[in-house]
Amino acid sequence: DAGVTQSPTHLIKTRGQQVTLRCSPKSGHDTVSWYQQALGQGPQFIFQYYEEEERQRGNFPDRFSGHQFPNYSSELNVNALLLGDSALYLCASSSLRDGSYEQYFGPGTRLTVT
Amino acid sequence: AQSVAQPEDQVNVAEGNPLTVKCTYSVSGNPYLFWYVQYPNRGLQFLLKYITGDNLVKGSYGFEAEFNKSQTSFHLKKPSALVSDSALYFCALRLSYNTDKLIFGTGTRLQVFP
Repeated sequence: DAGVTQSPTHLIKTRGQQVTLRCSPKSGHDTVSWYQQALGQGPQFIFQYYEEEERQRGNFPDRFSGHQFPNYSSELNVNALLLGDSALYLCASSSLRDGSYEQYFGPGTRLTVT
Repeated sequence: AQSVAQPEDQVNVAEGNPLTVKCTYSVSGNPYLFWYVQYPNRGLQFLLKYITGDNLVKGSYGFEAEFNKSQTSFHLKKPSALVSDSALYFCALRLSYNTDKLIFGTGTRLQVFP
């Protein structure tokens, strides 16, 4: 049973560029959340997708957008990259139906903006 | 506003000794509390959770945590530390009436010495 997978593992972009990160949830999970973890900090909630819609959003600008596909996988898009967007981006999957309240995290994508 | 505090940036303990990693929280309603561990270049791994019921919860790898409502604390404990327990530990809060959004502390680095 595959866990949460993310791609790519590492990414280097230039200021002003756009980036797309991808996530496949754990088998049986229908909900995907994205978090940003800056160096030395705890993860910060970006947004959550369920049934292909953004269900909740954290305090992040509109440059951060996402999508969920019918197979529950998800993308995180960041436009007009800033140096401050450099971070580890974590995807977490869960099931709203199983009542466990547990989120399973992927290994993350390390984004470096130069 | 809801928040999680981990007052210690680092905890050092000798192998075989008991360990405690501290966590306090602030919330207006009933909290759901979690502990996650992060190894280098890895995502977060779920250790344990408190949702309701017994204040002492047991989790993976011999870890346990005690929920104390009067002190608004949820400290992580293990009776006998292993060198392999050395990692970054995060306490997280989810509001019972909210969705899957987790609010993380800043993390505590646990160093277990042989």
